Amino acid sequence: AQSVSQHNHHVILSEAASLELGCNYSYGGTVNLFWYVQYPGQHLQLLLKYFSGDPLVKGIKGFEAEFIKSKFSFNLRKPSVQWSDTAEYFCAVNAVYGGSQGNLIFGKGTKLSVKP
Amino acid sequence: DSGVTQTPKHLITATGQRVTLRCSPRSGDLSVYWYQQSLDQGLQFLIQYYNGEERAKGNILERFSAQQFPDLHSELNLSSLELGDSALYFCASSVGLLGPAKNIQYFGAGTRLSVL
Repeated sequence: AQSVSQHNHHVILSEAASLELGCNYSYGGTVNLFWYVQYPGQHLQLLLKYFSGDPLVKGIKGFEAEFIKSKFSFNLRKPSVQWSDTAEYFCAVNAVYGGSQGNLIFGKGTKLSVKP
Repeated sequence: DSGVTQTPKHLITATGQRVTLRCSPRSGDLSVYWYQQSLDQGLQFLIQYYNGEERAKGNILERFSAQQFPDLHSELNLSSLELGDSALYFCASSVGLLGPAKNIQYFGAGTRLSVL
């Protein structure tokens, strides 16, 4: 069965620090990859997505992610975090086969706390 | 605002009861997905409907059922409720099934269910 692993449960950073959140998935075929963010008390919002092409994907609010197929990874990065980035971040994957997509499988999430 | 509307925002009920959660997808979206988010299980896919028909099932209990109506809104019915059913229930919608560009899921704000 497909699975998604997010390595860190809770990350605490100071403002202006750099961020990297790890995400690994288990599926050998073609995948679509996503990062969602959930601000406190709010719904999940799409940060960025990868379908094909350039493995370095830029999203909203200065976030980017790199797809490394050989490592089955899709790590999220931001060079300088802000207090407003405090949220929970979810990596999600769906498999692509036969022209259709499987369902989104989510990682357990990483809580990011940014200290002002 | 994602364009996906869920009602009610909060629901408090007792064990053994039955509740109905409602979701209106974004305008033009044909697929509706239901997810359960709990502290121990994370975000789990429950069920997907596409244009009124069930397309995929995930970790959905037999006590739970869903449907999608001709106007494309969907309802998730939870019956014989147990304490462990307390969770945040999200609905998401997407345009359709085919083509990677169409498979972005947009999430509603969720319904928080508390079973006492």
